[in-house]
Amino acid sequence: RKEVEQDPGPFNVPEGATVAFNCTYSNSASQSFFWYRQDCRKEPKLLMSVYSSGNEDGRFTAQLNRASQYISLLIRDSKLSDSATYLCVVSLTGGGNKLTFGTGTQLKVEL
Amino acid sequence: DAGVTQSPTHLIKTRGQQVTLRCSPKSGHDTVSWYQQALGQGPQFIFQYYEEEERQRGNFPDRFSGHQFPNYSSELNVNALLLGDSALYLCASREGLAGHSGANVLTFGAGSRLTVL
Repeated sequence: RKEVEQDPGPFNVPEGATVAFNCTYSNSASQSFFWYRQDCRKEPKLLMSVYSSGNEDGRFTAQLNRASQYISLLIRDSKLSDSATYLCVVSLTGGGNKLTFGTGTQLKVEL
Repeated sequence: DAGVTQSPTHLIKTRGQQVTLRCSPKSGHDTVSWYQQALGQGPQFIFQYYEEEERQRGNFPDRFSGHQFPNYSSELNVNALLLGDSALYLCASREGLAGHSGANVLTFGAGSRLTVL
């Protein structure tokens, strides 16, 4: 079983749609959780950290369910510029130490 | 303020050869990690260097080795290259070693794309 599992997609959605990505992780000792965004042939960049209480950053909302070992990302009012691969990431310690990445979910926002 | 810089950006090698990839961390950062990202996969942790010592290592064979210099820059060496070593190699830096702060996260470089023929 992979340590972090994601649906690879692609998710093709029209501009303005709401889209949700899910992720599960296997190590219950994981302490830190993140969503990274990676554009084609570029480096991953931190989109947002994920907290147990849930957190929001503009059109993006992340949720963590520790009991189910499940992480989600919701994108509202999708923009063409949101097209990218979204990587679910967990760490046993802080976000600057060893990160375990999922394979990523590809999002394509279309006109 | 320069971010993480890596060189070379692209390179082609043949099986059995050796390769050295280089990384300069972001200004103010002293910890460097290396990741391998194969096509269609997420990055996989290779190792982390701090104070010129390897502090953590992922599930990679001994053919993968590294070094950190006093100026915090780092090298990744891969010996006896295999076709399966073809990947994007990402360097990431941060300040310090420990901490659970969500703000203390990695900054990635643009990567070195290695093709092994």
